[in-house]
Amino acid sequence: NAGVTQTPKFRVLKTGQSMTLLCAQDMNHEYMYWYRQDPGMGLRLIHYSVGEGTTAKGEVPDGYNVSRLKKQNFLLGLESAAPSQTSVYFCASCKRRTGSYNEQFFGPGTRLTVL
Amino acid sequence: AQSVTQLDSQVPVFEEAPVELRCNYSSSVSVYLFWYVQYPNQGLQLLLKYLSGSTLVESINGFEAEFNKSQTSFHLRKPSVHISDTAEYFCAVSDPIGADTGRRALTFGSGTRLQVQP
Repeated sequence: NAGVTQTPKFRVLKTGQSMTLLCAQDMNHEYMYWYRQDPGMGLRLIHYSVGEGTTAKGEVPDGYNVSRLKKQNFLLGLESAAPSQTSVYFCASCKRRTGSYNEQFFGPGTRLTVL
Repeated sequence: AQSVTQLDSQVPVFEEAPVELRCNYSSSVSVYLFWYVQYPNQGLQLLLKYLSGSTLVESINGFEAEFNKSQTSFHLRKPSVHISDTAEYFCAVSDPIGADTGRRALTFGSGTRLQVQP
């Protein structure tokens, strides 16, 4: 199993450009998450999904959109990139197990720079 | 909503010395606690977790953490560190994001960079 993979690994954008980050998992997990990691701030939740076709906002959703058309994929879109979106983006997934803890598995990250 | 505080942004230590990385969280009725490790240019890996039961939890590589409910702390310790332990360590707490208790997102602290020197 590849686990959680992210594409691309690195990207440089100009202000106003758009792009989509792809997260894929082959563990048949129901839940998927997008986080951003900034120096001194840890990871913050952008959006999440509890199943195919469903998405919800996290702590810092502004400027991002997401889609979960297939269970194994979770896409994060930036319609008009801004320098404040320069960050490292991590995707995570976990299995649904009601009433119990679900370990989140993380991808390797995408380093995005917006000039 | 939960919050997690890691007071030390960097902890330099010499090889084979003991280390403690501090973590405090806001109180909650039900809380799960975690430590994640991030090696340079890699993603996060789960180091250890507290769900219930014994308040002392251990990892396979010699780290341990103790859940202290009265002090709302979950400090990470290792009696003797190695160069290979150099990494960033994140404390995290689960935060229910829906009526379904299984829908738990993670709230992270700001991280502590452990720098092990020879």
